[in-house]
Amino acid sequence: NAGVTQTPKFQVLKTGQSMTLQCAQDMNHEYMSWYRQDPGMGLRLIHYSVGAGITDQGEVPNGYNVSRSTTEDFPLRLLSAAPSQTSVYFCASSRAFGLPPPEQYFGPGTRLTVT
Amino acid sequence: AQKVTQAQTEISVVEKEDVTLDCVYETRDTTYYLFWYKQPPSGELVFLIRRNSFDEQNEISGRYSWNFQKSTSSFNFTITASQVVDSAVYFCALRPLNKLIFGAGTRLAVHP
Repeated sequence: NAGVTQTPKFQVLKTGQSMTLQCAQDMNHEYMSWYRQDPGMGLRLIHYSVGAGITDQGEVPNGYNVSRSTTEDFPLRLLSAAPSQTSVYFCASSRAFGLPPPEQYFGPGTRLTVT
Repeated sequence: AQKVTQAQTEISVVEKEDVTLDCVYETRDTTYYLFWYKQPPSGELVFLIRRNSFDEQNEISGRYSWNFQKSTSSFNFTITASQVVDSAVYFCALRPLNKLIFGAGTRLAVHP
């Protein structure tokens, strides 16, 4: 049971390049989400999904696309990288939200630098 | 507006000192949940506790304790007899609906 995995661990991009950050979970979780972590700002929600085929925007969605074609995978696409997207990206998953809200499991993170 | 404020950016203590990390939140929801996460230097996020808005009992887990006060919208975290392994960034988070809203985090450094 690998939990939540993210690839790559590190990535350097030039401004304007596109790329996809991969996230996969093997816990059959319905809910998956992407956060970015910037110094002094905590984690901010980019996009989330409550199940295959369903996605929604979080707090900072601009410049990012997501899709959820399977329960296991939730890739994050940067369409045209900008230096402002330099950050550490975390993927998280959990059972479907209910009461009490289940614990979210976080991946190890992807450190992205855009030059 | 939903918001979490962790006013302490960095705290430095000497081992065995007690330390309290502050968390103040804003929400208009009557039902909500609060969380604390730990991020050690290795970078992963570790779940510590979840608390719902109807349960104001303090909770203790070993050297960790949490004080939830709805009247002041605070959910503070105390580490008793701190240890070097407690050095990490600690995040408080608020859960409305399907989202987790994080505070900016408090970096705790425990020196031997």
